Amino acid sequence: ETGVTQSPTHLIKTRGQQVTLRCSSQSGHNTVSWYQQALGQGPQFIFQYYREEENGRGNFPPRFSGLQFPNYSSELNVNALELDDSALYLCASSFSSGGGETQYFGPGTRLLVL
Amino acid sequence: QKEVEQDPGPLSVPEGAIVSLNCTYSNSAFQYFMWYRQYSRKGPELLMYTYSSGNKEDGRFTAQVDKSSKYISLFIRDSQPSDSATYLCAMSASNQAGTALIFGKGTTLSVSS
Repeated sequence: ETGVTQSPTHLIKTRGQQVTLRCSSQSGHNTVSWYQQALGQGPQFIFQYYREEENGRGNFPPRFSGLQFPNYSSELNVNALELDDSALYLCASSFSSGGGETQYFGPGTRLLVL
Repeated sequence: QKEVEQDPGPLSVPEGAIVSLNCTYSNSAFQYFMWYRQYSRKGPELLMYTYSSGNKEDGRFTAQVDKSSKYISLFIRDSQPSDSATYLCAMSASNQAGTALIFGKGTTLSVSS
């Protein structure tokens, strides 16, 4: 059984650019959640994808968007990057069946915006 | 007031000590409580998952939930240098799809040999 994987591991962008982060969910999981973790803080929920649709969103602006593919992998897209977007972006996968959902995290993508 | 409060530490203990990590919360709707361990520059790893009030034990780890006090704890017995990490508490009001986990800031633990 493979765990959650994310790519790339590190990324450096400049303010105003766009970035795409990728996540492959754990085998057997059908739901992907994305979190932003700033230095010294706990992860903050961005949104969740289930059956290829956004299914819950945190307090993040529309320039944060995502996709989920038929194989349950997912992308996080961030447009018009700002300096405050510098953080560790975490993907978590889970199996949603109406109960008992437990989220398992990937290693994260560290984004630096200059 | 933040929904979940967690003392960031750092907490330094000698090997073999009993460690107590705690979180308080304000949202009485929270029913599902988790503890994650995060090593430096890695993703969080699920340690304990508890529903509602009570205790749960797994090896050297014990999780306690007191919903009446809105207080959760993680105890680590016989702590080891490999336990040195940041411990994050997380909670949610529902286990249904679309529910976000709300995290504390994390407590940094250092166990010296």
